[in-house]
Amino acid sequence: GESVGLHLPTLSVQEGDNSIINCAYSNSASDYFIWYKQESGKGPQFIIDIRSNMDKRQGQRVTVLLNKTVKHLSLQIAATQPGDSAVYFCAERESGGNNRKLIWGLGTSLAVNP
Amino acid sequence: KAGVTQTPRYLIKTRGQQVTLSCSPISGHRSVSWYQQTPGQGLQFLFEYFSETQRNKGNFPGRFSGRQFSNSRSEMNVSTLELGDSALYLCASSPYPGSGGEQYFGPGTRLTVT
Repeated sequence: GESVGLHLPTLSVQEGDNSIINCAYSNSASDYFIWYKQESGKGPQFIIDIRSNMDKRQGQRVTVLLNKTVKHLSLQIAATQPGDSAVYFCAERESGGNNRKLIWGLGTSLAVNP
Repeated sequence: KAGVTQTPRYLIKTRGQQVTLSCSPISGHRSVSWYQQTPGQGLQFLFEYFSETQRNKGNFPGRFSGRQFSNSRSEMNVSTLELGDSALYLCASSPYPGSGGEQYFGPGTRLTVT
């Protein structure tokens, strides 16, 4: 079946550096992508989303890039802070119909070193 | 506005028993989704309810079931528990079905099956 996967299961960065978390998806029919952050002991929290008619979207300190040609999604975090330490998930949603499920990646653990 | 609440937060059961988990969505949200999260499989979609009707279902055996009440509160039930059912069960609420970034997650119920 279709799935979403991540290139790197863990990422370690220095405080203040920029972080890039990558995600590969295989369903070319997906039209909506989301990044979530999950801190220890908590449920996932929405970070940023992007629709397939866009290739870049910026939020506060975060940028999501979408490359539909190679089915690749990335999350860039500027000036990474210790509070950014968490597991990051990408998720995709199939296009069409009223019952579209989110398909989640396995997650990348981001560790920020002070 | 209060967030998504899940009860209980922790649960220990033995094989063969059954368990019921509860989720109260954000006030005004009518859609509730359930996920199973394990280290090896990530977030796996269980089912989604809207207006007391199951709108979508993941690939889980019939031992996993759910329901939604008229006040949008939802329960999920797992019968004949197996060791592999040990996981974090997450509930997410949203205003309507299929919404991606507007899903708000609860802290989860940690189920341990011994």
